Amino acid sequence: NAGVTQTPKFQVLKTGQSMTLQCAQDMNHNSMYWYRQDPGMGLRLIYYSASEGTTDKGEVPNGYNVSRLNKREFSLRLESAAPSQTSVYFCASSVVRNTEAFFGQGTRLTVV
Amino acid sequence: RKEVEQDPGPFNVPEGATVAFNCTYSNSASQSFFWYRQDCRKEPKLLMSVYSSGNEDGRFTAQLNRASQYISLLIRDSKLSDSATYLCVVSDNDMRFGAGTRLTVKP
Repeated sequence: NAGVTQTPKFQVLKTGQSMTLQCAQDMNHNSMYWYRQDPGMGLRLIYYSASEGTTDKGEVPNGYNVSRLNKREFSLRLESAAPSQTSVYFCASSVVRNTEAFFGQGTRLTVV
Repeated sequence: RKEVEQDPGPFNVPEGATVAFNCTYSNSASQSFFWYRQDCRKEPKLLMSVYSSGNEDGRFTAQLNRASQYISLLIRDSKLSDSATYLCVVSDNDMRFGAGTRLTVKP
């Protein structure tokens, strides 16, 4: 039972570099999410996808892009990383929006 | 005012104690409520949903008070394995997470 799988688990980037965080779920869920978690703050929604080919901005979308090419996969791209993007990133999925969400193991990203 | 507020703790309690966490939310139109558990350096996992009538799962009891806009989580007979951060989640159109309450259960 893989559930939600994220890669990589850890990453260090230099300011200005780009990277893509990958996420895949095998639960046939429609909704997928990308969150970031910072100390002292709750998880904040970056982007949401209700279904293949659709994406919506969340609370903190600036500096990020996403792609939902199929039902299983939802990727998050940082085009030009900034130190303010140092965070723990979680991908999640749920049957539909606002139902129980299942999370990936997280990606710890440091931008120096 | 934050949309979802929790006492950050930490709560340090002995094994066997009863501990309660509260969470307040600002959007009266919120419709779904959850408690998640997050272990150190791990992903959040659903502990329980919170229903209007209140619900219980073993040693855990969740309550919702819509009039006062808060939800609560009661843990009875605390175990060492209950040590974690407990996240309150409130949903209107989006799921909004509290910053979490940290619980440490000591022998």
